[in-house]
Amino acid sequence: ETGVTQTPRHLVMGMTNKKSLKCEQHLGHNAMYWYKQSAKKPLELMFVYNFKEQTENNSVPSRFSPECPNSSHLFLHLHTLQPEDSALYLCASSHSQGASYGYTFGSGTRLTVV
Amino acid sequence: AQTVTQSQPEMSVQEAETVTLSCTYDTSESDYYLFWYKQPPSRQMILVIRQEAYKQQNATENRFSVNFQKAAKSFSLKISDSQLGDAAMYFCAYRSASGGTSYGKLTFGQGTILTVHP
Repeated sequence: ETGVTQTPRHLVMGMTNKKSLKCEQHLGHNAMYWYKQSAKKPLELMFVYNFKEQTENNSVPSRFSPECPNSSHLFLHLHTLQPEDSALYLCASSHSQGASYGYTFGSGTRLTVV
Repeated sequence: AQTVTQSQPEMSVQEAETVTLSCTYDTSESDYYLFWYKQPPSRQMILVIRQEAYKQQNATENRFSVNFQKAAKSFSLKISDSQLGDAAMYFCAYRSASGGTSYGKLTFGQGTILTVHP
């Protein structure tokens, strides 16, 4: 356990469902990130929050909606997803967006859209 | 934009032997950081080693060391005395230290699957 906790670990949802992914860290970090990891593709940065403010939205479709109520929690709200959205969604945190150290990652949520 | 390339989709090594994973990157910046991450089947990305671009000395962490060639934009990872627990997907990553739109973002390569044979 690295200090970044993601729930649920697995999620199967229909295309008409609404669900949320949760990420929590108590490392005192101020920046949090969502990445999408698909098979045979590099990790794709989706969103960046720095001190609770969204500083990056990497052209992510609106069916993905992030929320960062405080520096310790990050959510990814999902609705009307497509089968191609099936992937591993990784959350990460760092001291700040500009910190010289790498990120601390969670174990991810394996999402399957049926 | 920066890009990171790992040209070896898969590598294998015998236990106790040495293996080198390759990584190249493309950037016009002079100040940045490079990382190797390990992702075992548990899916958790674990930081293996970190290199600051302004340091000429190659980073080492126990059995893990890097060969950082700044002019060639190359950053390979050497694993010595390989162990079964080293089996995982390994990702090379780049992080800008300069200002601008890329500031702080971690860009990953495609990954290399490492198999360790007993």
